[in-house]
Amino acid sequence: DVVMTQTPVSLSLAIGQPASISCKSSQSLLGTSGKTFLNWILQRPGQSPKRLIYQVSKLYSEVPDRFSGSGSETEFTLKISRVEAEDLGVYYCWQGTHFPYTFGAGTKLELK
Amino acid sequence: EVQLVESGGGLVQPGRSMKLSCAASGFTFSDYYMAWVRQAPKKGLEWVASISYEGSSTYYGDSVKGRFTISRDNAKSTLYLQMNSLRSEDTATYYCARHGYWGQGVMVTVSS
Repeated sequence: DVVMTQTPVSLSLAIGQPASISCKSSQSLLGTSGKTFLNWILQRPGQSPKRLIYQVSKLYSEVPDRFSGSGSETEFTLKISRVEAEDLGVYYCWQGTHFPYTFGAGTKLELK
Repeated sequence: EVQLVESGGGLVQPGRSMKLSCAASGFTFSDYYMAWVRQAPKKGLEWVASISYEGSSTYYGDSVKGRFTISRDNAKSTLYLQMNSLRSEDTATYYCARHGYWGQGVMVTVSS
């Protein structure tokens, strides 16, 4: 199974500060289709997960452009240019290239 | 508007069975792979199973293989998860999901 390793485990940031979360996979997520199915989601407290980014860097339409995703093969990064209050919660990366699909353990973003 | 509404959860004794349903609306159900993902209390996300467009292909996580069965009824736009031989470690919130969307989740508690 593909192991997804997220760092850091938690982040404590003030509003307006940038954030960066790393996600590393134990094997390449480049699929036979030529696409890389690495996704990012956010789970706010008490809520179900919400979509953020798919295929490494593609933002869903409703996601603010202060979010960005990058990376390839086995190393990926989620960045928030300026953290806002609504960004708090747990961020997960997950891969949909290889069955079984697997999730990172999550990065908790707290506001300082 | 895409909606995924899970039902069928509750308290069940170890070794017994339970069937979850997910009613989908707002999109052409048969155009999408569907999945179940679970989250144990205070834990991260775990992919459980996925099913192809017409249901001809199914995929399972190792922890549920042989005990859980994912299925779908495209005429009813409904996804199912039949859970047999339930264990305490199956206690979790179960989410129905498709690309980019998650339901609100349904709680399953396995306890005597």
